[in-house]
Amino acid sequence: DAGVTQSPTHLIKTRGQQVTLRCSPKSGHDTVSWYQQALGQGPQFIFQYYEEEERQRGNFPDRFSGHQFPNYSSELNVNALLLGDSALYLCASSRGLAVADTQYFGPGTRLTVL
Amino acid sequence: GQQLNQSPQSMFIQEGEDVSMNCTSSSIFNTWLWYKQDPGEGPVLLIALYKAGELTSNGRLTAQFGITRKDSFLNISASIPSDVGIYFCAGENAGGTSYGKLTFGQGTILTVHP
Repeated sequence: DAGVTQSPTHLIKTRGQQVTLRCSPKSGHDTVSWYQQALGQGPQFIFQYYEEEERQRGNFPDRFSGHQFPNYSSELNVNALLLGDSALYLCASSRGLAVADTQYFGPGTRLTVL
Repeated sequence: GQQLNQSPQSMFIQEGEDVSMNCTSSSIFNTWLWYKQDPGEGPVLLIALYKAGELTSNGRLTAQFGITRKDSFLNISASIPSDVGIYFCAGENAGGTSYGKLTFGQGTILTVHP
């Protein structure tokens, strides 16, 4: 039973570029949440997708957008990259809009913006 | 964005010693969770707490949900080398449309010397 998978593992971009990160949820899960983890910090909630809609959003600008596909996989898009967007981006999946103790995190995508 | 205040930031202990870390918030949460993150991995759930005053154990780990609902602590007894990692507290206010949106602390880096 595969857990949460994310791709790519690492990514290097330059300021102003756009990036797309991908997440496949754990088998049987249909809800995906995205978090940004800056170096030396705890993860910060970006947004959550369920039934292909954004259900909740954290305090992130509109440059951060997402999508969920019918197979429950999800993408995180970041436009007009800034140096401060350099971070580990974590995806977490769960079944339905359940409480957090059923969430599983993926290994993350390390984004470096130069 | 909001983060919980987690302390200490780091700990250096000898194998066999007990460890204690805590987390405080200016806001009330109705669920507290503790995670461990190893290098190159996403956070893994250790313990979840659902009621004020609740004391829960998971092997050598014990965690408590503060009476005020604004704090929690985690104890690790008889530490072993594999306890090395970063420990995060997280709070959730599950209910209505707000499920799975976690607010994390800054983390406690634990080093165990054999």
